[in-house]
Amino acid sequence: TQLLEQSPQFLSIQEGENLTVYCNSSSVFSSLQWYRQEPGEGPVLLVTVVTGGEVKKLKRLTFQFGDARKDSSLHITAAQPGDTGLYLCAGASAGSYQLTFGKGTKLSVIP
Amino acid sequence: DAGVIQSPRHEVTEMGQEVTLRCKPISGHNSLFWYRQTMMRGLELLIYFNNNVPIDDSGMPEDRFSAKMPNASFSTLKIQPSEPRDSAVYFCASRPGGGTQYFGPGTRLTVL
Repeated sequence: TQLLEQSPQFLSIQEGENLTVYCNSSSVFSSLQWYRQEPGEGPVLLVTVVTGGEVKKLKRLTFQFGDARKDSSLHITAAQPGDTGLYLCAGASAGSYQLTFGKGTKLSVIP
Repeated sequence: DAGVIQSPRHEVTEMGQEVTLRCKPISGHNSLFWYRQTMMRGLELLIYFNNNVPIDDSGMPEDRFSAKMPNASFSTLKIQPSEPRDSAVYFCASRPGGGTQYFGPGTRLTVL
């Protein structure tokens, strides 16, 4: 069974601070996705990384896929209250329809 | 375009009652997924349909759960009889081919 561990589970920071959240597994994934979920809504895809070592930037968010494609990180620069939400990572295996989700990091950015 | 539509958004019922959750996928998407989300277990896949056919229902907890997709624009997830441990947020997601999954807003189910 493939598992994705996310850390930290909860994170509360002040507006303007930087933060990094992690997604780790003992399994190799062909791609890894990051989602943000706001209260009362479904997860919304932020980015997909497919190549070991790949770095993608989305405004203040930087995503990195580990060289061995077993882990990933999400770094947010100068966090804003609008970044508040549950951040989920999900791994996909080649040829499989299934996504394996982590339990998420719940981020609160305090104004 | 409308996204994935789920109804009801909230459902409160008593133990033993039948519950039916509904989903309208995005038009043109040929894959549909039902998930359950709880604090303890996170997001779990319950069942996957491709072209209206159930492909993998190994995530369905037990015989009390059933899902149907009578046509490309509608799916239901039924729990009969419901139990308090079924309380969770249930999501439907659809995707085109092998592309991105788009999630609905979810149904928050509370079984008393």
